[in-house]
Amino acid sequence: AQKVTQAQTEISVVEKEDVTLDCVYETRDTTYYLFWYKQPPSGELVFLIRRNSFDEQNEISGRYSWNFQKSTSSFNFTITASQVVDSAVYFCALSEFTTSGTYKYIFGTGTRLKVLA
Amino acid sequence: DAGVTQSPTHLIKTRGQHVTLRCSPISGHKSVSWYQQVLGQGPQFIFQYYEKEERGRGNFPDRFSARQFPNYSSELNVNALLLGDSALYLCASSPTSGGPIDEQFFGPGTRLTVL
Repeated sequence: AQKVTQAQTEISVVEKEDVTLDCVYETRDTTYYLFWYKQPPSGELVFLIRRNSFDEQNEISGRYSWNFQKSTSSFNFTITASQVVDSAVYFCALSEFTTSGTYKYIFGTGTRLKVLA
Repeated sequence: DAGVTQSPTHLIKTRGQHVTLRCSPISGHKSVSWYQQVLGQGPQFIFQYYEKEERGRGNFPDRFSARQFPNYSSELNVNALLLGDSALYLCASSPTSGGPIDEQFFGPGTRLTVL
């Protein structure tokens, strides 16, 4: 069965520290997409990145970087020089087509990141 | 431009009642998806609609239904409410029917409490 595991329930770091949020997924499909979303205290999920299963290149966007490794079914997210504004719940998600031609999204349970000043 | 809007913001119902939640997508977006987020959990996919047709469905009972209108707004209906239906219901819109590759834009959610 398809599954997304975020084993870290909560992480606390001091401002300016680097932090890595782990995401491990399970799927039987060869074509799928992985996402990271941020949910600040306001509640609205904010899209951060999308990666398809055929693109294993790591990506960097400012202080954010993502490491996708199909061999270990992981899609980890690193924040460099964390800031208080990074405090939020971060969700990893997997989407894939079903045999009926529709698709579904599966979110992990989220990692709450607290960045302390 | 306005983002995704949802109404109402909060709602309190009792067991057995019916509820209707509403969502207006970003202007120009034709796809709407619904998610249920129980406290402390990740969002669970309920439905996706594009051009008024259902394009995806999660593992939810038939008590949950939805529809999309010609202006692309959407309603989520839940019948015979259970205590376990208490959650934040999120609506997301995306510009195309690209499905799983689409970036989704989420609304602030409707907090439903079932007593």
